[in-house]
Amino acid sequence: AQTVTQSQPEMSVQEAETVTLSCTYDTSESNYYLFWYKQPPSRQMILVIRQEAYKQQNATENRFSVNFQKAAKSFSLKISDSQLGDTAMYFCALGVIQGAQKLVFGQGTRLTINP
Amino acid sequence: DTEVTQTPKHLVMGMTNKKSLKCEQHMGHRAMYWYKQKAKKPPELMFVYSYEKLSINESVPSRFSPECPNSSLLNLHLHALQPEDSALYLCASSPWGPGSYNSPLHFGNGTRLTVT
Repeated sequence: AQTVTQSQPEMSVQEAETVTLSCTYDTSESNYYLFWYKQPPSRQMILVIRQEAYKQQNATENRFSVNFQKAAKSFSLKISDSQLGDTAMYFCALGVIQGAQKLVFGQGTRLTINP
Repeated sequence: DTEVTQTPKHLVMGMTNKKSLKCEQHMGHRAMYWYKQKAKKPPELMFVYSYEKLSINESVPSRFSPECPNSSLLNLHLHALQPEDSALYLCASSPWGPGSYNSPLHFGNGTRLTVT
């Protein structure tokens, strides 16, 4: 079974600050991949960034980067120069292939960017 | 704009009603998914279709009946639902095949279902 844990239910920072969201996971699969999705009030789940488990290099997408520590099963998301539009619920997700693609989501972190 | 379109956006139904949720994508994706999301909770996988065949059913009650009539459409037929089935129902799609098994999912905006 796969589990994903996000230990920060809510976070709040000022605009332009840097914020880090934590995520730990557990799986017995050797081939897996990790995602961060955001869900703004519009309800749509939007991909923020993804990481292949076999890649040691941390993924980066503009202001978003991850710190992937495979041995510790940790996958944190850093948002630099935070913007008001970053306000959303952020979900960490673990993906494995078991007949089809299965995503398991963490409980989410509600991030608020204050002006 | 979302590339996965779900209709209706909102649905209120009684426990004796029969209704259907619809999902459509034209990205050529061959895997389609239904997720259920309760308020302030993460999405939970319900069903996965790969190449129009049901490949995952996460022990969902039979009052939920999925259907994939073609590669672009995914339906979720609802019958005799309970108030606890009230939730946001999210549809998603992704490429599926060699080299794309780990592609990220594209989600729709969801249908907010209320069962009275």
